[in-house]
Amino acid sequence: DIQMTQSPSSLSASVGDRVTITCQATQDITNHLNWFQQKPGKAPKLLIYDASDLQAGVPSRFSGSGSGTDFTFTITSLQPEDFATYYCQQYDNLPRTFGQGTKLEIK
Amino acid sequence: QVQLVQSGAEVKKPGASVKVSCKISGYRFTSYGITWVRQAPGQGLEWVGTISIWNGKKYHSQNLQGRVTMTTDTSTNTAYMELRSLRSDDTAVYFCARGGWGGSGNYYNEDYWGQGTLVTVSS
Repeated sequence: DIQMTQSPSSLSASVGDRVTITCQATQDITNHLNWFQQKPGKAPKLLIYDASDLQAGVPSRFSGSGSGTDFTFTITSLQPEDFATYYCQQYDNLPRTFGQGTKLEIK
Repeated sequence: QVQLVQSGAEVKKPGASVKVSCKISGYRFTSYGITWVRQAPGQGLEWVGTISIWNGKKYHSQNLQGRVTMTTDTSTNTAYMELRSLRSDDTAVYFCARGGWGGSGNYYNEDYWGQGTLVTVSS
């Protein structure tokens, strides 16, 4: 199975900050990577697919980059509604695997 | 609009089975797959499996050791996930999502999700 390692596991930031989360795969997954946002008690929400494509309706302050084994997710100018947990997920191979999550908290 | 509505919370004893339903509306059921994901309390997301409705192919996590069965009913636009021989570590919220392999073999990422079904396994 492909292991996905996210960093950091938690992050404190302020409204207006820029934050970056990284995700590393144990083998080449080309660009077959999603980023999800999850708020407590809610289902995950797809933000980014194909490593860098913005899902319809998602604000442009969210972005993704990378290919192969190393990926980055960035939120520019944090908004209050962005405080949540973020997960990367590879869909290059079965089984699909997720990173362990990054909890973004208000500083 | 696209909606996935899941069945209600369940409490089961160890060794029992549970069957969670996911009724879809707002799109052609056979054009997309259905993916199941679970989340234990306070933990991350775990992929359970995916069923392709148009050709019936199923892929599931080997971690579940053959205890999971995914099915669909195209007459009611409903997907089901059954988990047998329940253990305490199966306690989790189970989500269905539109995604996986759809018509003509196209792959779709999980863009619409159900609200989740809490399955509690306790003696």
